[in-house]
Amino acid sequence: ILNVEQSPQSLHVQEGDSTNFTCSFPSSNFYALHWYRWETAKSPEALFVMTLNGDEKKKGRISATLNTKEGYSYLYIKGSQPEDSATYLCALYAGGTSYGKLTFGQGTILTVHP
Amino acid sequence: DAGITQSPRHKVTETGTPVTLRCHQTENHRYMYWYRQDPGHGLRLIHYSYGVKDTDKGEVSDGYSVSRSKTEDFLLTLESATSSQTSVYFCATTGELEEKLFFGSGTQLSVL
Repeated sequence: ILNVEQSPQSLHVQEGDSTNFTCSFPSSNFYALHWYRWETAKSPEALFVMTLNGDEKKKGRISATLNTKEGYSYLYIKGSQPEDSATYLCALYAGGTSYGKLTFGQGTILTVHP
Repeated sequence: DAGITQSPRHKVTETGTPVTLRCHQTENHRYMYWYRQDPGHGLRLIHYSYGVKDTDKGEVSDGYSVSRSKTEDFLLTLESATSSQTSVYFCATTGELEEKLFFGSGTQLSVL
């Protein structure tokens, strides 16, 4: 079983704060790392797919970095807004014998207070 | 939005009965996945498919089976439903592993 760990499990911030979460994963057989945003009662929505060590992606106030050698990715939100409240999930495709297997972490629940 | 349809959207069934959930996609995507959502666990992989008739187990596959006889349909069967299988089930698809997943709207299953 692939161990994809996210921290913290939950986070409460004030509107305007910047925040970040971590996704840790085994560095062997790395192929791709996904980030998703998941609002209550909706389906997860893709933020980024990252494949290269050192990769940085940005979408509005949200950005992500990737370190495949040490096995982690950071997701940053600048100037959090109440509408950013959601669960943020990362998912790993590690290749090797588990061809096509995409494993999610348990998620970080972000609550942004007005 | 990607054309991914899950059916049924809601299902209530009794312990011991078989249940089949359907995921239908119109995107010609190669990869299809079944996940279940449980509090504190995020999305846990049940089974996945990397092509027609090519399927493999995920981390919580016990009590579930799948079939993919054509590209567009991926069926999840609970052979004999148990209360522990009460959950929300999501289907997801992608054309390439370097590309994002597209999710269905989910199926709320209650096993009484």
